[in-house]
Amino acid sequence: AQKVTQAQTEISVVEKEDVTLDCVYETRDTTYYLFWYKQPPSGELVFLIRRNSFDEQNEISGRYSWNFQKSTSSFNFTITASQVVDSAVYFCALSEGSYNTDKLIFGTGTRLQVFP
Amino acid sequence: EAQVTQNPRYLITVTGKKLTVTCSQNMNHEYMSWYRQDPGLGLRQIYYSMNVEVTDKGDVPEGYKVSRKEKRNFPLILESPSPNQTSLYFCASSQNGGGPNEQFFGPGTRLTVL
Repeated sequence: AQKVTQAQTEISVVEKEDVTLDCVYETRDTTYYLFWYKQPPSGELVFLIRRNSFDEQNEISGRYSWNFQKSTSSFNFTITASQVVDSAVYFCALSEGSYNTDKLIFGTGTRLQVFP
Repeated sequence: EAQVTQNPRYLITVTGKKLTVTCSQNMNHEYMSWYRQDPGLGLRQIYYSMNVEVTDKGDVPEGYKVSRKEKRNFPLILESPSPNQTSLYFCASSQNGGGPNEQFFGPGTRLTVL
């Protein structure tokens, strides 16, 4: 069965600290996709990244970086030099490619609070 | 502007009073779905639609109905709402093909059933 685990319920850091949000997934498919979404206090869901199972290259986008490791079924998200505006709930999600749907299986989210 | 809209944004109702939450997208997306978000549970899919007149159940469909008569609209219907349907609801859309794509989410509808 497919499942996404975000073990960190809440993380608090002080501005400029680096922070890593963990995501562990379970799937029996060999083709799957992983996502990260951000939900700021205003409530909307903001797409951050999509990664397919055949691409294990790490990705960097500004202060954001993602580490995808199939060996440990993890897709961790690191924010470098965090800022107050990074305060949000972050969701990791999995979609299995074999069913030809875009259904997302979400983790329970990690609430990040960045203090000035 | 490409977007998914939902109405209403906030709704307080009473048990048993039928309601509809509308969802519309202007991106000509084929795939649309509804999720509910509950504390400690993340988001869970209620129903989805691959295209017009094609709908199917997600993980938590009980107590909900949907329809897809037009490509742009995907309303969520609660025929007889109950307090356990108090939740934050999101509509999403994406373009089919090439594997699961980025889903665009609406702003959310916060529903309270008394």
